[in-house]
Amino acid sequence: NAGVMQNPRHLVRRRGQEARLRCSPMKGHSHVYWYRQLPEEGLKFMVYLQKENIIDESGMPKERFSAEFPKEGPSILRIQQVVRGDSAAYFCASSPPGQRSGANVLTFGAGSRLTVL
Amino acid sequence: KNEVEQSPQNLTAQEGEFITINCSYSVGISALHWLQQHPGGGIVSLFMLSSGKKKHGRLIATINIQEKHSSLHITASHPRDSAVYICAVRSSDYGGSQGNLIFGKGTKLSVKP
Repeated sequence: NAGVMQNPRHLVRRRGQEARLRCSPMKGHSHVYWYRQLPEEGLKFMVYLQKENIIDESGMPKERFSAEFPKEGPSILRIQQVVRGDSAAYFCASSPPGQRSGANVLTFGAGSRLTVL
Repeated sequence: KNEVEQSPQNLTAQEGEFITINCSYSVGISALHWLQQHPGGGIVSLFMLSSGKKKHGRLIATINIQEKHSSLHITASHPRDSAVYICAVRSSDYGGSQGNLIFGKGTKLSVKP
């Protein structure tokens, strides 16, 4: 069981380019969460997805950011027209289905570190 | 004021010492998580609590719902325990989904041999 796989681990983009971060959840997990950790700051929730559905995107910036979790393949966090302030570590976590409300246990990926030049 | 406050921010201990990290929160919660972030950046979930106490190896986590406070204890600390320990809560006040967590800023622990 490979755990939660994120790639790329490191990504460098110039201002205005697009960044795509991928997350494959643990085998058997159908819930995916994305978090952002800005330099010297705490983690912040971004979005919660299940297969083909966005459940909670209350933490997503209103513009340039989008996320999907298609029926086949990994979840993707997409950042269009990146700016220097998007430089951060982006963590994905997953949890299995069937958890009672408020009782999910999260398994985190190793993170993707985005640097915008 | 942050909704989740941790203390201390930084902690240095000698190997073998008993360590306590505190977390206070100001919102109603349905669950509280303790996470460990390694120096390389990876995050591991240590505990998820909604009441009482949990123990895993040398780690113990407690929560007092009435006082809105949780503690993480490490017995017989070891240099490999050096990491940032993060408290996070799922608020019941805002009706957020599972995984919609409010994080503390973390406690950086350094255990010296």
